[in-house]
Amino acid sequence: DQQVKQNSPSLSVQEGRISILNCDYTNSMFDYFLWYKKYPAEGPTFLISISSIKDKNEDGRFTVFLNKSAKHLSLHIVPSQPGDSAVYFCAASGMDSNYQLIWGAGTKLIIKP
Amino acid sequence: NAGVTQTPKFQVLKTGQSMTLQCAQDMNHEYMSWYRQDPGMGLRLIHYSVGAGITDQGEVPNGYNVSRSTTEDFPLRLLSAAPSQTSVYFCASSYSLPTDTQYFGPGTRLTVL
Repeated sequence: DQQVKQNSPSLSVQEGRISILNCDYTNSMFDYFLWYKKYPAEGPTFLISISSIKDKNEDGRFTVFLNKSAKHLSLHIVPSQPGDSAVYFCAASGMDSNYQLIWGAGTKLIIKP
Repeated sequence: NAGVTQTPKFQVLKTGQSMTLQCAQDMNHEYMSWYRQDPGMGLRLIHYSVGAGITDQGEVPNGYNVSRSTTEDFPLRLLSAAPSQTSVYFCASSYSLPTDTQYFGPGTRLTVL
């Protein structure tokens, strides 16, 4: 029973366009959400996070949107660059998980030149 | 500043063998964790530690032991390896909380025959 779902295993986007990666969660007690990025043969690296008291957080080309009523968050990358090609993991945390991170399965983003 | 280091990078074991995966960090972080990553699944928490001398179980602890005798080191022991433990293992550390930025090691790819 996956509490954090990333339903698109892969996504292909043209360089310069917007990449939108989606994440759904089932546990309404989650109150903090994070995105990590992973290149092959490396460990994940932190990208951006958002608390449930916000609905948007921005950091340069990366913006995360949170829709609590829909239990949905999305990561927008604008403009997409070749170096953005990686696997993106969504993770959630809350009281029910003892504040440990519950991870989605990841979405592989491919930026086409 | 080496960050989080893991050894070995690759390991092949036979069923029933035991081994220790090493993890060390030089950032004076209190929180350390071990995850496993399997195809089509997100990272799953095996064990974590909130400081020297304190460890706790994560989502999938069976078959694994940990200890935290120093702030720097957090080894993961496989007691009697099984094919189901074939996976990629990541160690991570963060300043204090799991929701603080976690810094990951490069991973250990373990195959159990």
